Amino acid sequence: DGGITQSPKYLFRKEGQNVTLSCEQNLNHDAMYWYRQDPGQGLRLIYYSQIVNDFQKGDIAEGYSVSREKKESFPLTVTSAQKNPTAFYLCASSNDIEAFFGQGTRLTVV
Amino acid sequence: GQSLEQPSEVTAVEGAIVQINCTYQTSGFYGLSWYQQHDGGAPTFLSYNALDGLEETGRFSSFLSRSDSYGYLLLQELQMKDSASYFCALRGEDKIIFGKGTRLHILP
Repeated sequence: DGGITQSPKYLFRKEGQNVTLSCEQNLNHDAMYWYRQDPGQGLRLIYYSQIVNDFQKGDIAEGYSVSREKKESFPLTVTSAQKNPTAFYLCASSNDIEAFFGQGTRLTVV
Repeated sequence: GQSLEQPSEVTAVEGAIVQINCTYQTSGFYGLSWYQQHDGGAPTFLSYNALDGLEETGRFSSFLSRSDSYGYLLLQELQMKDSASYFCALRGEDKIIFGKGTRLHILP
């Protein structure tokens, strides 16, 4: 079945540590996105990529980094520079019309 | 830049009709989409409007007026399972931007 997979579902991190969230898709989509969602808030765009080996900053890129070495994969690293990383992270891929989301990773800094 | 505005909450009665409005600002417009998200879940696609007018998909319809930078989602024959958050999303030239979402409360 085609889809988009995020892992892990829950992640705990100590302050000062970097952590990488995985996102894989087999929908053959060129476009991929990372969003952050805080309680009661909308989806805020962190990074996006329209093609392999190219990506752009979204509205809240500070403290995050990404790579797009393969069409299928778009991992997000939350660095220690991100001041408030506890949130729900959603990865999506898109054709021209619809965005398909993974089930999300809930990151908690302890 | 790009931005979207939608009400934070809407309440309606089971079996009734509800409309969720969305206004947007953008320099480049390709389309307006709507997504549903239940608590703890991922957003799922409901509809997409690239041209002015009404698109109907079962109990859900979506409307777009590009001249007014305005759209709405219409939900008919409301069911308790429709209790969720609804997001309008703007497809620009190279990215998708979401509104803050409207929480729909349904009363029995």
